[in-house]
Amino acid sequence: LAKTTQPISMDSYEGQEVNITCSHNNIATNDYITWYQQFPSQGPRFIIQGYKTKVTNEVASLFIPADRKSSTLSLPRVSLSDTAVYYCLVGEDNNDMRFGAGTRLTVKP
Amino acid sequence: GAVVSQHPSWVICKSGTSVKIECRSLDFQATTMFWYRQFPKQSLMLMATSNEGSKATYEQGVEKDKFLINHASLTLSTLTVTSAHPEDSSFYICSARDLQGAGEQYFGPGTRLTVT
Repeated sequence: LAKTTQPISMDSYEGQEVNITCSHNNIATNDYITWYQQFPSQGPRFIIQGYKTKVTNEVASLFIPADRKSSTLSLPRVSLSDTAVYYCLVGEDNNDMRFGAGTRLTVKP
Repeated sequence: GAVVSQHPSWVICKSGTSVKIECRSLDFQATTMFWYRQFPKQSLMLMATSNEGSKATYEQGVEKDKFLINHASLTLSTLTVTSAHPEDSSFYICSARDLQGAGEQYFGPGTRLTVT
């Protein structure tokens, strides 16, 4: 099971682009990379999932280098409401969803 | 998108009593559901994997006789905390895996349990 490492916390300001990197050195061939957002006292919310290269949706982009040993979640033009904990998960076919420590993002005005 | 509900959203019980938490997938069928526990300022900890029609698989260190899991249908899993103690006070979150499509995981809103 691939272990993930993320920065414990990050600060940003409104309107800035935020990039959160996750390391997963022992990612397996069949593993996908999934990012979740969690607000206090709520369940995690799916943000984006990818396998390789770049994936973009309406809220974020996910960059995955060729060796797949890391990934970067990019949040464009963050707002105060993006203050949350962001989790990177690595696993096969959405099984074994074990969470790491996550990154606590604080967006300041 | 797919919706997972939990009931109750919060519960306060006395030490020694049992509490049942329900997890339902509202618009999809879920062969597999997961139960997590989250303490303040900490990450989610996987407690068990619940498969419809079979016994749950518990993570190491989680007492199966204390945390009873029943996955009786493709849309409902229950977690019963038996003989609850104050140290069981936590935020319990379930997730359900969509049987169709790419097997996405959807999380419930969580249940706040306080044992007095």
